[in-house]
Amino acid sequence: AQKITQTQPGMFVQEKEAVTLDCTYDTSDQSYGLFWYKQPSSGEMIFLIYQGSYDEQNATEGRYSLNFQKARKSANLVISASQLGDSAMYFCAMPGYGNKLVFGAGTILRVKS
Amino acid sequence: GAVVSQHPSRVICKSGTSVKIECRSLDFQATTMFWYRQFPKQSLMLMATSNEGSKATYEQGVEKDKFLINHASLTLSTLTVTSAHPEDSSFYICSAQLASGRARTDTQYFGPGTRLTVL
Repeated sequence: AQKITQTQPGMFVQEKEAVTLDCTYDTSDQSYGLFWYKQPSSGEMIFLIYQGSYDEQNATEGRYSLNFQKARKSANLVISASQLGDSAMYFCAMPGYGNKLVFGAGTILRVKS
Repeated sequence: GAVVSQHPSRVICKSGTSVKIECRSLDFQATTMFWYRQFPKQSLMLMATSNEGSKATYEQGVEKDKFLINHASLTLSTLTVTSAHPEDSSFYICSAQLASGRARTDTQYFGPGTRLTVL
């Protein structure tokens, strides 16, 4: 069974600085994907970025990038040049049986001005 | 693209009434939709998987007679909370899977959620 671990319940970052949100995973599958979602206080879940296990390069989407280290089974999200609007809950997730997403516990990020 | 809507966004009802929540994929067809429940400051808990034209698959511990799911078309799934009680108060959020042909790596796009309060 798939398992996602996010060990940081909460993080603070100064505006305009970069921040790394940790995510480690466990799976016996050879081919898999990892997702990051952002959930602001409004509640909607916003898809940020996806990394495939066989993708040769780390995924990037604007200010978001994935530090994917397959051997260490980690897929950390890096947010560059943090903005106040980045304050939210962030979830790491991967598909399990039946395409059901397995979520981590989440990390609350607070950006300070 | 890949927009999912959910209606209503917020509902307050009396104990014993039924509440219907709609989840629509606006610009794509979704053969599979998922329903989640979320308590404050916690992760999402999958309730059921909804497949178009077939019965929903419920997760262990979720009462199928209490949480009725209908996936009538490729763009619409509904969740009905029957005979709601205060303990059913929660944030309910749906997702629709955009099939890219890569099976397990298909992205789920989420609706904005419905906050249910049962008095």
